[in-house]
Amino acid sequence: DAKTTQPTSMDCAEGRAANLPCNHSTISGNEYVYWYRQIHSQGPQYIIHGLKNNETNEMASLIITEDRKSSTLILPHATLRDTAVYYCIVRFIIQGAQKLVFGQGTRLTINP
Amino acid sequence: NAGVTQTPKFRVLKTGQSMTLLCAQDMNHEYMYWYRQDPGMGLRLIHYSVGEGTTAKGEVPDGYNVSRLKKQNFLLGLESAAPSQTSVYFCASSPHGAAGLVGNTGELFFGEGSRLTVL
Repeated sequence: DAKTTQPTSMDCAEGRAANLPCNHSTISGNEYVYWYRQIHSQGPQYIIHGLKNNETNEMASLIITEDRKSSTLILPHATLRDTAVYYCIVRFIIQGAQKLVFGQGTRLTINP
Repeated sequence: NAGVTQTPKFRVLKTGQSMTLLCAQDMNHEYMYWYRQDPGMGLRLIHYSVGEGTTAKGEVPDGYNVSRLKKQNFLLGLESAAPSQTSVYFCASSPHGAAGLVGNTGELFFGEGSRLTVL
């Protein structure tokens, strides 16, 4: 299983861009990178995913390096409500079902 | 549209007791999953199901059983609870398993969690 490595914690000022890095050096060619976040003890929430191209949606942008060994999640204008644990996940398929292997994630704190 | 609903949300058990956690989804999703989350850790997959009547083991299946008799429900059972099973349990569902399908983000929809304490 491809593993991901993330910093344990990060801080960011409100209104600034939050850049969360992730290393996934053992990722295979057909494995997607997914980002989820978990606020307090709620269920994780999907943010964005990508294979090799950069992606953007209403929540965030995902920048994947050309060799696909690392990626960065960007929250362009962080708010206090973005304080959460962010998980970078490599997704692969087993028996037709997607399998997400969660690491410990990055605890992002947005400061006023 | 309730999404993914888990019951109960809290439960305290004594060692050796049995119980069942119910996960219900109203999105007509094919795939359902049970995860557990321990303090300071990410989620670990216990069991999953790719459709009604099917189940499969995840990373940490020992001590748990599951059933998917109806498409909308995925039950997680503990036959003889142990203190090591004290955890927060999350259920999730998704419409498809494979990436690349049109309109499919591969997103998992999670429930709000069930906190289980085994004394």
